[in-house]
Amino acid sequence: DVKVTQSSRYLVKRTGEKVFLECVQDMDHENMFWYRQDPGLGLRLIYFSYDVKMKEKGDIPEGYSVSREKKERFSLILESASTNQTSMYLCASSPPDRAYTEAFFGQGTRLTVV
Amino acid sequence: GENVEQHPSTLSVQEGDSAVIKCTYSDSASNYFPWYKQELGKGPQLIIDIRSNVGEKKDQRIAVTLNKTAKHFSLHITETQPEDSAVYFCAASSSGGSYIPTFGRGTSLIVHP
Repeated sequence: DVKVTQSSRYLVKRTGEKVFLECVQDMDHENMFWYRQDPGLGLRLIYFSYDVKMKEKGDIPEGYSVSREKKERFSLILESASTNQTSMYLCASSPPDRAYTEAFFGQGTRLTVV
Repeated sequence: GENVEQHPSTLSVQEGDSAVIKCTYSDSASNYFPWYKQELGKGPQLIIDIRSNVGEKKDQRIAVTLNKTAKHFSLHITETQPEDSAVYFCAASSSGGSYIPTFGRGTSLIVHP
């Protein structure tokens, strides 16, 4: 089974802190994604990566950055956490076939910024 | 870019009833339409998908239909059970353009025993 593992289920951080959310996948997938999930807004794409050291902005990249130094690991960075970044964060990966590509999700990290 | 609308946002049914969730998309180039189920405390998981060259697909109690002309697709769950209670997301993507799926806003399905 494909496994996408997010390092934390719950995080509480203070406003202004630099926050790292880590994601690891074990299926050698080229594509990795970070989504933010908020009630009534669905899944919104923050950043994605299609290869090591490659990254592309999604729909809501402001306030976030990402790092992909190794194929299996994709990190989301909140440079200076703010209360409006309190949310559920979901990491996903998918194989390189651009047609008909299923995304595999991690269990999510619920981040609270106080 | 692609825009996916999903309705209803919440759906409450009695056990044994059918449930239907509908989505519309805007980009006629979209050709892959997956449905994901998210149980409480878990990430979304693919339950069924359909490609644009197919009008309907079934897998036991769930089915998906696609109307390319009208640009809408639907998830049908028959004989609902309490374990079907979850949030369901539709998505659309294109193999010829952006392969990144665009998700609907989700439907919270509650099945009452």
